[in-house]
Amino acid sequence: AQSVTQPDIHITVSEGASLELRCNYSYGATPYLFWYVQSPGQGLQLLLKYFSGDTLVQGIKGFEAEFKRSQSSFNLRKPSVHWSDAAEYFCAVVRNYGGSQGNLIFGKGTKLSVKP
Amino acid sequence: EPEVTQTPSHQVTQMGQEVILRCVPISNHLYFYWYRQILGQKVEFLVSFYNNEISEKSEIFDDQFSVERPDGSNFTLKIRSTKLEDSAMYFCASSDRGLGNQPQHFGDGTRLSIL
Repeated sequence: AQSVTQPDIHITVSEGASLELRCNYSYGATPYLFWYVQSPGQGLQLLLKYFSGDTLVQGIKGFEAEFKRSQSSFNLRKPSVHWSDAAEYFCAVVRNYGGSQGNLIFGKGTKLSVKP
Repeated sequence: EPEVTQTPSHQVTQMGQEVILRCVPISNHLYFYWYRQILGQKVEFLVSFYNNEISEKSEIFDDQFSVERPDGSNFTLKIRSTKLEDSAMYFCASSDRGLGNQPQHFGDGTRLSIL
């Protein structure tokens, strides 16, 4: 069965430092991959998506992610974190099988805290 | 930018009561979804809806759950007889295409608390 693993439950970085959040997926073919962010009390906001083509994708708020097939990974990065980036980040993959209408399988999320 | 809106933001209900959660998807979207997130756990798919019928549902979506698009704008999730374990954040999402090749846009969620 398809799955998404986010190995880090909680990460703390200093403001201005770089950030990398890890995501691994299990799926034989090329997956459709997403990163969503959830601020406290808010819904899920799409940061970026990967469907095909260039393996480095740019998203909103200065985030980028790199798809690496050989590692089954889709890690999220940001060169310089801002205090407003503190939130929970979810990696997701589209469930692909015959007849699927594209429902998402989410990882457990990584909570990001930002130190001043 | 168009948004998915959900009401209410917080619903408190006695166990055994019926509850209806409401969503207004983005107006030109055709595919609609409900997900839930139990506190501290991952977001889980419940059901997808297209062309006025359920296209896919998870094992969570049992006979106590139903969805409806009563008019051209609303998309509702009904739980007939709520249980304590139904307490969760429920998210509605919509997409202009299925098959996952267009992103799903999520609402801010309804926090359902069952007493």
